[in-house]
Amino acid sequence: DAGITQSPRHKVTETGTPVTLRCHQTENHRYMYWYRQDPGHGLRLIHYSYGVKDTDKGEVSDGYSVSRSKTEDFLLTLESATSSQTSVYFCAIGDRGGYTFGSGTRLTVV
Amino acid sequence: GNSVTQMEGPVTLSEEAFLTINCTYTATGYPSLFWYVQYPGEGLQLLLKATKADDKGSNKGFEATYRKETTSFHLEKGSVQVSDSAVYFCARTEGRDDKIIFGKGTRLHILP
Repeated sequence: DAGITQSPRHKVTETGTPVTLRCHQTENHRYMYWYRQDPGHGLRLIHYSYGVKDTDKGEVSDGYSVSRSKTEDFLLTLESATSSQTSVYFCAIGDRGGYTFGSGTRLTVV
Repeated sequence: GNSVTQMEGPVTLSEEAFLTINCTYTATGYPSLFWYVQYPGEGLQLLLKATKADDKGSNKGFEATYRKETTSFHLEKGSVQVSDSAVYFCARTEGRDDKIIFGKGTRLHILP
């Protein structure tokens, strides 16, 4: 959808390597979020940001870090990827009125 | 634990059937409630929402009413179409930052 893009769309990486996923928005929205989607678990919040350099942990933050140096970009880093981090990752922007989601990044850790 | 509970799927219906997908929540205060839909290979899209008790959200023939007394927000549609086949997520706001937390999703299959 216009306004929020994720890159890459697909990635295969090896166990133990660092991986960074990017979320870019053109809506100038203050709040941004990273979720992972897994069968049987729905969407679970990893980290979120409520402004430049202001971030907080979500439900499943272990093994992940984030950075927000500009309003438009929110980066999710897997410091040392593990097979349990194979998932589809979604970025979102929004607030209590509702979120807009990106199209997702499918990450496979082999 | 997950404070949004929705019925297990998959749900399979014939075209033009009546649809109900149940959703209940636990919360203190008055969260906003949502239904999101995810079509294959895509991200989630907001389908409808309600922000206070007795509000009814509606969109594309779908409806859900915010029931505080039963802490429920069931999704309904009077006559489903094949194009409604998707995964549906119930969600609510949580915490001082109004983060949105999601149920596990219900997969819906509509047969022609």
